[in-house]
Amino acid sequence: ETGVTQTPRHLVMGMTNKKSLKCEQHLGHNAMYWYKQSAKKPLELMFVYSLEERVENNSVPSRFSPECPNSSHLFLHLHTLQPEDSALYLCASSQAGGRTRDTQYFGPGTRLTVL
Amino acid sequence: AQSVTQLDSQVPVFEEAPVELRCNYSSSVSVYLFWYVQYPNQGLQLLLKYLSGSTLVKGINGFEAEFNKSQTSFHLRKPSVHISDTAEYFCAVTRPGTYKYIFGTGTRLKVLA
Repeated sequence: ETGVTQTPRHLVMGMTNKKSLKCEQHLGHNAMYWYKQSAKKPLELMFVYSLEERVENNSVPSRFSPECPNSSHLFLHLHTLQPEDSALYLCASSQAGGRTRDTQYFGPGTRLTVL
Repeated sequence: AQSVTQLDSQVPVFEEAPVELRCNYSSSVSVYLFWYVQYPNQGLQLLLKYLSGSTLVKGINGFEAEFNKSQTSFHLRKPSVHISDTAEYFCAVTRPGTYKYIFGTGTRLKVLA
């Protein structure tokens, strides 16, 4: 596998379910990101991890819980979501320290539908 | 606060015609500027970026963009488009020393045969 991979690609869940999204990067990068992409809205940065430490939490509700066990893996744990949380969730990574001049490499996303 | 405006939500253009996708940003400090492309069912891919230096930036697939500080713009251009350029294009701005990328709402480029 190369680049940034995300699983699952599609997820349908009820409001009371608990699920997790997984992201893995094979680029040797040290920073990883979660974004939310909704129709007709700009990409919203949710979380940033640099060297496995969370450095940005962009006022995201607590029903979204990120986890970064090492520099190659990033998870987004979901619980008691709302229908408005339905969106495409994109993971990205960038090189050392997550400096904003570095190019971000994106995964294909997980299409989440909350019923 | 920083913001990015992509005024055109959709741009139809015939194959082999030139195209310009507009991006304006607001920031009172120095910025880095990016254009990303998203093909159907894929993540975003970098086309080009401006960090400093020459204001004309060349990217992949024949795209280029010009940084205009006085007009706070970073428009993307291609002299001759192909069907395969049909995709959504996102402009983004960041500030040195932060982790935040601010993206525009995107412009859907549709190339017609």
